[in-house]
Amino acid sequence: ETGVTQTPRHLVMGMTNKKSLKCEQHLGHNAMYWYKQSAKKPLELMFVYSLEERVENNSVPSRFSPECPNSSHLFLHLHTLQPEDSALYLCASSQTLAGGEKYEQFFGPGTRLTVL
Amino acid sequence: GQQLNQSPQSMFIQEGEDVSMNCTSSSIFNTWLWYKQDPGEGPVLLIALYKAGELTSNGRLTAQFGITRKDSFLNISASIPSDVGIYFCAAPYGGSQGNLIFGKGTKLSVKP
Repeated sequence: ETGVTQTPRHLVMGMTNKKSLKCEQHLGHNAMYWYKQSAKKPLELMFVYSLEERVENNSVPSRFSPECPNSSHLFLHLHTLQPEDSALYLCASSQTLAGGEKYEQFFGPGTRLTVL
Repeated sequence: GQQLNQSPQSMFIQEGEDVSMNCTSSSIFNTWLWYKQDPGEGPVLLIALYKAGELTSNGRLTAQFGITRKDSFLNISASIPSDVGIYFCAAPYGGSQGNLIFGKGTKLSVKP
């Protein structure tokens, strides 16, 4: 595997279900991100992990719970979602240097989530 | 808050034509990134710009970092059908974590 991988690629779940999205990066990066992409809206940053610690949570509802067990893996645990949470969920990784000079983020293919 | 304004929102062009799109903001940025997203896939980084006035090429793509640091431009020369997709500009905001803000994208359609 190369780059950033995400599983599953597609997920349909009911409002009472619990599911998890998985992301794995094979680039040796030290930061990982979760984004939400809805139709006709800019990419929305949800969570940022740097060196496996969460450094930013952009006021995301608690029904989304991230987990970063190591620098290569990132999960997004989902429970009691709403239909408006249906979207493409993208994972990204980057190598953040001490001075923050490099900002290139590399994205996975995304998980298309549908909440019924 | 900060936002990036991309224009045009969509473009319909003939194969072989050149394409120009831009991204503007009322805020100053030190970095501009351009991504392309194909249907059903994640965004792919095309070009990164780190210096005001910088002009960088990647094959048929050329991007420029505006001298005011409030805008950036992307040009595609001699378009081909596989150029179809959504092009996003992005820029970092706040802190040192490299968090990015994205524009809403320019959707490009190429007619063979």
